[in-house]
Amino acid sequence: DIQMTQSPSSLSASVGDRVTITCRASQSISSYLNWYQQKPGKAPKLLIYAASSLQSGVPSRFSGSGSGTDFTLTISSLQPEDFATYYCQQSYSTPSITFGQGTRLEIK
Amino acid sequence: QVQLQESGPGLVKPSQTLSLTCTVSGGSISSGSYYWSWIRQPAGKGLEWIGRIYTSGSTNYNPSLKSRVTISVDTSKNQFSLKLSSVTAADTAVYYCASEIAARPIRWGQGTLVTVSS
Repeated sequence: DIQMTQSPSSLSASVGDRVTITCRASQSISSYLNWYQQKPGKAPKLLIYAASSLQSGVPSRFSGSGSGTDFTLTISSLQPEDFATYYCQQSYSTPSITFGQGTRLEIK
Repeated sequence: QVQLQESGPGLVKPSQTLSLTCTVSGGSISSGSYYWSWIRQPAGKGLEWIGRIYTSGSTNYNPSLKSRVTISVDTSKNQFSLKLSSVTAADTAVYYCASEIAARPIRWGQGTLVTVSS
């Protein structure tokens, strides 16, 4: 199985900050990496697919990069509604898919 | 746009079978555009993919759950279902149904909490 490891596990930041979350795969997954945002009590929402493509309707302050084993999600200027938990997910080793353990983004 | 809604018992006894249904609205489950999947999340923990089904009936399951999971589809009702047998407290979680494209869940239901307890 491909393991996905996110860092940090939690992060405190302020409105307006630039924030980067990292996801590392245990083996190369090319660009088969997706990012999700989950707010408390809600289902996850797809933000980025194929490592760097912005899902329709997602604000442009979100961006993704990387390939192979190392990936990043960047929020260019944090907004109050961005405080949530973020998950990466690999879609390389189908049929199974796996998620990272999550990164909790909190208000400083 | 497609919407999904989970339904089923919120409490299941240990060793029994958990059964959930996902009703798809705003589009046909038979359209062929999507796979239909189940994902779960224990309280305060991460996301675990359970499995998926295509409208043809072909299925894929998480190897760690494969022996206990059955996913089926009822195209006449625009629904798909999850059965998880021999449940234990470790199966207590919020269960989500979702539509998938290219092995990425695109649209999710709101989730339903299932507690395993006597």
